[in-house]
Amino acid sequence: KNQVEQSPQSLIILEGKNCTLQCNYTVSPFSNLRWYKQDTGRGPVSLTIMTFSENTKSNGRYTATLDADTKQSSLHITASQLSDSASYICVVTTGTASKLTFGTGTRLQVTL
Amino acid sequence: NAGVTQTPKFQVLKTGQSMTLQCAQDMNHEYMSWYRQDPGMGLRLIHYSVGAGITDQGEVPNGYNVSRSTTEDFPLRLLSAAPSQTSVYFCASSYSGHDYTFGSGTRLTVV
Repeated sequence: KNQVEQSPQSLIILEGKNCTLQCNYTVSPFSNLRWYKQDTGRGPVSLTIMTFSENTKSNGRYTATLDADTKQSSLHITASQLSDSASYICVVTTGTASKLTFGTGTRLQVTL
Repeated sequence: NAGVTQTPKFQVLKTGQSMTLQCAQDMNHEYMSWYRQDPGMGLRLIHYSVGAGITDQGEVPNGYNVSRSTTEDFPLRLLSAAPSQTSVYFCASSYSGHDYTFGSGTRLTVV
């Protein structure tokens, strides 16, 4: 069964600090991996998307990495801001573009 | 450019009632999907469409119907609402399945 597991489930950090979120997947066949940010009461918004051949993808203070051999990905947030408080969801796509497997997300809270 | 528009934002139904959740996109995307999001679970695919006139079932299709008569619209119908369908519903669209744009969601409560 295709699965995407994320850790930690929740995280609290001080403003200005860095953090790294983890994603492990068992989806096959692999097409691409996406990280989404979901603010409370809103729909997910795409941060990065990586194919099999890409190891790193950045979007401002967000940097995603992918190790296709170990089936692991991470999302690193640099110099966190209060507005980074949200859920971060890892999504893996199978060969069929319409089939996405979602992780349960990491809820990040950035505090003063 | 409105993106993906979902209506209504909130809805309360009584068990057994039927209703339609609306989804419209103005980006000429071929791919459209419906998901439900429940606490502690990842988004789960209900139904999807790869173009007008083409729909297929996702992971949790029971109790829901869809149709795709135009590229822009992809309504989700609840035939006879049950408390287990209390959830937040998201519609998403994509040009080629490469990246998806999500609507802001419909929060549905069935009592």
